[in-house]
Amino acid sequence: NFMLTQPHSVSESPGKTVTISCTRSSGSIASNYVQWYQQRPGSSPTTVIYEDNQRPSGVPDRFSGSIDSSSNSASLTISGLKTEDEADYYCQSYDSSNHWVFGGGTKLTVL
Amino acid sequence: QLQLQESGPGLVKPSETLSLTCTVSGGSISSSSYYWGWIRQPPGKGLEWIGSIYYSGSTYYNPSLKSRVTISVDTSKNQFSLKLSSVTAADTAVYYCASHKLGFDYWGQGTLVTVSS
Repeated sequence: NFMLTQPHSVSESPGKTVTISCTRSSGSIASNYVQWYQQRPGSSPTTVIYEDNQRPSGVPDRFSGSIDSSSNSASLTISGLKTEDEADYYCQSYDSSNHWVFGGGTKLTVL
Repeated sequence: QLQLQESGPGLVKPSETLSLTCTVSGGSISSSSYYWGWIRQPPGKGLEWIGSIYYSGSTYYNPSLKSRVTISVDTSKNQFSLKLSSVTAADTAVYYCASHKLGFDYWGQGTLVTVSS
């Protein structure tokens, strides 16, 4: 099995841009799609990015996703930060054995 | 739009078996090519995939929990269930059910299960 490693926390000011990384420990990041979830306190996670870089309807285009094969990582970038973006963010992928894996989560503080 | 709702005891004693059920509405659990999964989140910690069952009945489990987990489907009730045996305090968590393909599309609201005597 592989792991997905995220920074424990990031912080940035309103209006700025922040990027959260998600590094895959083994196997190619490009082999299996990466999803990103936002979780606010007391709520279930919701998808903000699916299939590496696709946005569900209703998610602002301030949210974008990408993958970088050279660092074997995925990234979630949020531009024009708003206080409402403050939440925990999780990356998620899977392997060929139908095992699904979540990253450890990143707490985003908008201050 | 699928809706999922977890149900089951909120308190389980150590060494006993945790049993939860997820009721699906807004679609048939057996007719769509979805996986039906369980995810947990210990208080203040991250998400952990427990396991999933495909609409065909095939099951897939987290290797770290595989020896203690059973997931099953009851198509007549449009429900799927989780059993986790020999629980300890480390199994205290919010347990979510979800429908998914590559990513987790629909989530239940979650139910807190505490393991304590």
